[in-house]
This record gives sequence, structure tokens and C-alpha cells, in this order.
Amino acid sequence: DVKVTQSSRYLVKRTGEKVFLECVQDMDHENMFWYRQDPGLGLRLIYFSYDVKMKEKGDIPEGYSVSREKKERFSLILESASTNQTSMYLCASNAPGTGELFFGEGSRLTVL
Amino acid sequence: QKEVEQNSGPLSVPEGAIASLNCTYSDRGSQSFFWYRQYSGKSPELIMFIYSNGDKEDGRFTAQLNKASQYVSLLIRDSQPSDSATYLCAVRDGGTSYGKLTFGQGTILTVHP
Repeated sequence: DVKVTQSSRYLVKRTGEKVFLECVQDMDHENMFWYRQDPGLGLRLIYFSYDVKMKEKGDIPEGYSVSREKKERFSLILESASTNQTSMYLCASNAPGTGELFFGEGSRLTVL
Repeated sequence: QKEVEQNSGPLSVPEGAIASLNCTYSDRGSQSFFWYRQYSGKSPELIMFIYSNGDKEDGRFTAQLNKASQYVSLLIRDSQPSDSATYLCAVRDGGTSYGKLTFGQGTILTVHP
């Protein structure tokens, strides 16, 4: 069974803290994505990666960075968390040329 | 910025009725279109995709695509309470093969007994 695993389901952080969200997939997919989901706004792409050490900005990259040192792992980093980054974060992966995204369970981040 | 717009919800239909979900997109170069279903507290899951103009049927679900009008829809026949969920329309970027999808804001569907 295909699996995308996000390390933390729920996090509470303080403004200014550095936050790491980890994602691991076991499907040998080249592409990995980080989305955030907010009520009324749907899923918005933050960053994606199409290969190890390769990354591309999505639609809302400001305040975020990513790391992909190994094919199976894609990390989202909030260098200095702010309250407007309180959201549900979804990691996903897929194979090149396909549109089916496989999502993790999500990480709900609250920044106080 | 490429946009995907879904009809505003929430949408409420009685059990057994047809639920109609609509989506428009701004990028005329888009090639692939997807419908994801997301139950409350769960992650999205793919239920339909369509690449060509016309209709595509899968059980109780029919996806319809009209590229000239930049319009894609999802019909759910014989709606069941278990169909109650948020439905997300997604469009694959026509300019890349990376599989990047742009999502609409979602439509909440409630099927009441």
C-alpha cells in the first residue's frame, strides 16, 4: 500500500520559532509537494521538488524553505514562524507525468 | 497566476438526487483535470480524472470537460450520505511535466437522508 507519512499530526509553536515539517514517501516518486490548506482557499502550493536537491517555488513560498537531501524525504522549514502560518500542511508525491497526488495525513500547525 | 474556481457552496442535495459540481480554469494550455474528494479530517483522494473533451463515466460519477469554455464538472448520480465531503477540482499545469496541480477552493457537499 502506498504511503506518505508526515512526522507530526499536530504542532503548537510560538512566534519566531523555527519549525520543521517532515515528509517521507515509500513509492520511489520523483515529485514531492508541500501544500497548505485554509478554509475557503483550498490547497495552495508552497514548494515542490522534482528530484533530489532540486526545488521550485510554488504559489506562496514566502516565509518557507524546503530541503530534499534524499529521494524519499521532503522537509518544509519555517525559519521564523508567524501567526499567519497557522494552517494545515499537506505533503504529497507523484510520479512524473501523472496527476494523481498521494497525500500524507497532514500536519496541523498552530503558531501562537 | 493560474486560477481554478469552483462553484460556491455549500451544496446540499437529498439522498438519491444528482449532485452537480462545477469548476472553471484560467490557463487555456491546461491538459489534465482531476477531481479529489476530501472527507472531514482526512486527506484528499483522487476520484476522477479527464483529459479529453466530453464525458467520462465511472460508476455513479461522471466528469465532463469542455476545453473551449474552460469548464469541467463532476456529476454524482444517486447521491448517498457517504458522498458528503469536500470536492476539490484540480488542474495540471500545461507548461510542465512535473505533475504540479493547481486546486480550486473546494465545494462542500452534504447529502441528507
